[in-house]
Amino acid sequence: DTEVTQTPKHLVMGMTNKKSLKCEQHMGHRAMYWYKQKAKKPPELMFVYSYEKLSINESVPSRFSPECPNSSLLNLHLHALQPEDSALYLCASSQGRIFSGANVLTFGAGSRLTVL
Amino acid sequence: EDQVTQSPEALRLQEGESSSLNCSYTVSGLRGLFWYRQDPGKGPEFLFTLYSAGEEKEKERLKATLTKKESFLHITAPKPEDSATYLCASRGGKIIFGKGTRLHILP
Repeated sequence: DTEVTQTPKHLVMGMTNKKSLKCEQHMGHRAMYWYKQKAKKPPELMFVYSYEKLSINESVPSRFSPECPNSSLLNLHLHALQPEDSALYLCASSQGRIFSGANVLTFGAGSRLTVL
Repeated sequence: EDQVTQSPEALRLQEGESSSLNCSYTVSGLRGLFWYRQDPGKGPEFLFTLYSAGEEKEKERLKATLTKKESFLHITAPKPEDSATYLCASRGGKIIFGKGTRLHILP
């Protein structure tokens, strides 16, 4: 299995809703990442987990809350989002420690989030 | 500050018309230069990693090269299915993506 699976593919939520994005990989990768990507822009790093511990938080607003329940799963909990948070949210994983060695990122297909 | 700049922003080619995409980087202690392909609404798909100046890698119609300041993605005789955004990323202390080149191959 060489895939990163993200659910849901599409999510529409109001500004008062609470929702979650999910990411799963079974490649034995120990680093997992959340990226945010707006149209015609590069992916922007949000969070990195290494060995199930949060290693990097790129000053992301607290309305985004990551969680790594185990080495295969990564969640992003969403609460009180703003319309400008609408974007494609990408999950990625890589072998070994973050940003080490031949650290190729394997990306999921993304979750398209629309905040009304 | 580490930076990655890609050019051109967009490129339209006729099928079979070869060209090159450029990725200029300023990175302290480069530990890898990556190329990804991204189709609309999908996640980036890994193409190549280059580690040292002079290194080259090929895959089908694509060839990536690396110098001390830039990397090129050469596309030979492209087909419409090569249409995508091509992202370059550098790894120093962290991975930094360029803004990408949107490539459109006309049949």
